[in-house]
Amino acid sequence: ETGVTQTPRHLVMGMTNKKSLKCEQHLGHNAMYWYKQSAKKPLELMFVYNFKEQTENNSVPSRFSPECPNSSHLFLHLHTLQPEDSALYLCASSQKAGTDNEKLFFGSGTQLSVL
Amino acid sequence: GESVGLHLPTLSVQEGDNSIINCAYSNSASDYFIWYKQESGKGPQFIIDIRSNMDKRQGQRVTVLLNKTVKHLSLQIAATQPGDSAVYFCAENDSSGSARQLTFGSGTQLTVLP
Repeated sequence: ETGVTQTPRHLVMGMTNKKSLKCEQHLGHNAMYWYKQSAKKPLELMFVYNFKEQTENNSVPSRFSPECPNSSHLFLHLHTLQPEDSALYLCASSQKAGTDNEKLFFGSGTQLSVL
Repeated sequence: GESVGLHLPTLSVQEGDNSIINCAYSNSASDYFIWYKQESGKGPQFIIDIRSNMDKRQGQRVTVLLNKTVKHLSLQIAATQPGDSAVYFCAENDSSGSARQLTFGSGTQLTVLP
């Protein structure tokens, strides 16, 4: 266990559905991240939260809406997704964003399929 | 933009042999590098890191070598075991921009043969 828990592990949704991904970290970290992992492509950073404040939005479409109520929880709200959004969505945490030696601890991800 | 790449997408080694996974980077401002391991159905897991003021760092059965002259990074795994089968990513941290964030390579699939 990495100390970062993601639910659900798998999600199938239609393009008109609204769903949410949840991430919780038990490491006492202050920064949380959402990454997208598509087949045979590098990890793509989506959002960064540092002390509950969003510090990075990597040109992510508005159909992805993050929420960080506290330093331990992170959500990704999904609505009107496209089939090309199908991917593994990874949550990560680190001690503090934007510092040297930024070691990320990842969850196991949510495998999302958009039909 | 700058990119981090891997020489080979797949690598097969015999159990007990040493494995060498390579990574090339193009951003001369990169000053921190990390290797991650991702097993099937799991998220990436930190293996070892190295700063640009070092050229070698050793961990348990793993060694990372950094050659800044040719912008090359390698991960050596000694006495490779079946549990080492996974995708291995290198990542670089670039301090030249306003935001520090890791840039990941595409990964190399390591398969350990019995």
